[in-house]
Amino acid sequence: AQSVTQLDSHVSVSEGTPVLLRCNYSSSYSPSLFWYVQHPNKGLQLLLKYTSAATLVKGINGFEAEFKKSETSFHLTKPSAHMSDAAEYFCVVSDPATGNQFYFGTGTSLTVIP
Amino acid sequence: NAGVTQTPKFRILKIGQSMTLQCTQDMNHNYMYWYRQDPGMGLKLIYYSVGAGITDKGEVPNGYNVSRSTTEDFPLRLELAAPSQTSVYFCASIRGVYQPQHFGDGTRLSIL
Repeated sequence: AQSVTQLDSHVSVSEGTPVLLRCNYSSSYSPSLFWYVQHPNKGLQLLLKYTSAATLVKGINGFEAEFKKSETSFHLTKPSAHMSDAAEYFCVVSDPATGNQFYFGTGTSLTVIP
Repeated sequence: NAGVTQTPKFRILKIGQSMTLQCTQDMNHNYMYWYRQDPGMGLKLIYYSVGAGITDKGEVPNGYNVSRSTTEDFPLRLELAAPSQTSVYFCASIRGVYQPQHFGDGTRLSIL
């Protein structure tokens, strides 16, 4: 069975410092993995996706994530946090058998301190 | 391109009332989904559809119904609303398997 664990429910960083949001997944096969961002009162917006190509994936707004199969991790990083990065972030894995079912982590709330 | 559009954005219902949450997409996506989001719980799948005329239950289908008569529309029906259905509801669609989901902005529903 597929599952996603986001290791931190809340992360606070100072503006201009690095961001690390951690995600571990459980999947029987090579998964497709996604990171989404949700700003208040908005829907989820895709940040980046991993679909078995390069293990280092670059996304929008300076975010990137590295797929590490040996650690079953897909952590999201950004070198320098901006105030506009404050939001909820979700790690998502798709069912490798069907490709049309998705499993969500419980989210990480990112606070950026000025 | 509007993407995925949900209406209404907000609604307050009384216990026992019924309503339909509308979702339409203009991307010609075959796959569509309904989720509910409760605080600290991530998103839970209510129903999904792999094409017009085909729907299936997700993780939390009780108290809801769906239909898919066209590719564009995927309405979610609440019958006999209960306080436990107070939540934020999101509709999503995908172009094809292993592709990322496109989300609407959500419907915030309170049942009092």
